[in-house]
Amino acid sequence: AQSVTQLGSHVSVSEGALVLLRCNYSSSVPPYLFWYVQYPNQGLQLLLKYTTGATLVKGINGFEAEFKKSETSFHLTKPSAHMSDAAEYFCAVSDQTGGGADGLTFGKGTHLIIQP
Amino acid sequence: NAGVTQTPKFQVLKTGQSMTLQCAQDMNHEYMSWYRQDPGMGLRLIHYSVGAGITDQGEVPNGYNVSRSTTEDFPLRLLSAAPSQTSVYFCASGAGGTQYFGPGTRLLVL
Repeated sequence: AQSVTQLGSHVSVSEGALVLLRCNYSSSVPPYLFWYVQYPNQGLQLLLKYTTGATLVKGINGFEAEFKKSETSFHLTKPSAHMSDAAEYFCAVSDQTGGGADGLTFGKGTHLIIQP
Repeated sequence: NAGVTQTPKFQVLKTGQSMTLQCAQDMNHEYMSWYRQDPGMGLRLIHYSVGAGITDQGEVPNGYNVSRSTTEDFPLRLLSAAPSQTSVYFCASGAGGTQYFGPGTRLLVL
């Protein structure tokens, strides 16, 4: 079984400051890892994903994440926060051996607040 | 491409009523799935399908039924709605391990 833990249900940063959203996972098999963003009353939009290869993954809107197998982590970062980054962020994992075909396991989400 | 579409956007049901949430995708993806989103719970997998005629249960399948007669459509049926099924429902389709989500259906069961 897989699980995802997102540390901090709410994270507040100042505009222009570093954004760091933490995600740790557990999986008995090599994982696929994802970050999704959800704006109010909207669906989920894929920010970035790790499948295989390079462990530093760049996504949309200036976000990036690094897969660290030894730490079972996939933290999301952005060097400089913008007001438009305020949203709910979800980390998710799927089973690489099944090609991700058996669904995603999500963390409970982190609400990112940007202070002006 | 429209991507993943869901109807209706919002629905109110009374306890015991049945309804079908519609989901369609035009990306020719073999994989489709349904999730429910509840506050503080993230998204939880209800049912999924890896191709036409093939479905399987996810984490929270009780009270829901699915079928997959075509690649494009994956409807979710609530057989007898209960207040515990009040939630936001998301359909997703995917390939190569990546899933793309629809805009969601907000369901209120009274």
